[in-house]
Amino acid sequence: DAKTTQPNSMESNEEEPVHLPCNHSTISGTDYIHWYRQLPSQGPEYVIHGLTSNVNNRMASLAIAEDRKSSTLILHRATLRDAAVYYCILRALNDYKLSFGAGTTVTVRA
Amino acid sequence: NAGVTQTPKFRVLKTGQSMTLLCAQDMNHEYMYWYRQDPGMGLRLIHYSVGEGTTAKGEVPDGYNVSRLKKQNFLLGLESAAPSQTSVYFCATTNGLGGYNTGELFFGEGSRLTVL
Repeated sequence: DAKTTQPNSMESNEEEPVHLPCNHSTISGTDYIHWYRQLPSQGPEYVIHGLTSNVNNRMASLAIAEDRKSSTLILHRATLRDAAVYYCILRALNDYKLSFGAGTTVTVRA
Repeated sequence: NAGVTQTPKFRVLKTGQSMTLLCAQDMNHEYMYWYRQDPGMGLRLIHYSVGEGTTAKGEVPDGYNVSRLKKQNFLLGLESAAPSQTSVYFCATTNGLGGYNTGELFFGEGSRLTVL
């Protein structure tokens, strides 16, 4: 299975953007890049996913490198509610399993 | 809609006891999963199901059994609980990847199990 590498932790100030990097140098052509986040004492929730093009939704933006070996999740204006563990995951097209690594713990300072 | 409901939410067991965790979903999803999460760690896949009547092993299946007799329910059983199975258990569902499906996983709130 293709693996991802994320920093263990990141800090941000409230109302500032947060850029969360993810390296996936062994990604294959049909692997989707998924991001989830887990708020304290809750189950993970879906944030965004993409294949090749950059993606935007109401929660975040996903910027995918041209060679697809890395991606960045962008939270445009961090709020205290964005403090969570963020997981970057690769999902193969015909693979129904998602494996979660340790993720990046994001701390937001007021 | 309730989404994904896990019962019970909390349970304390003694070593050797058995129990079953129930995951119920009302989204008519085909795929269901059981994960465990130990303190400070990510989620590890225990077992999963790609449809009614099917089950498959994940990363850490030992010590657990599962059944999917009805599409909406996915049961996780511990036949002889061990302290190493103390964890938070999460159920998740998805309707797959492809077509109009995003492959988004919907998670339950978790079940905290302590084995003494």
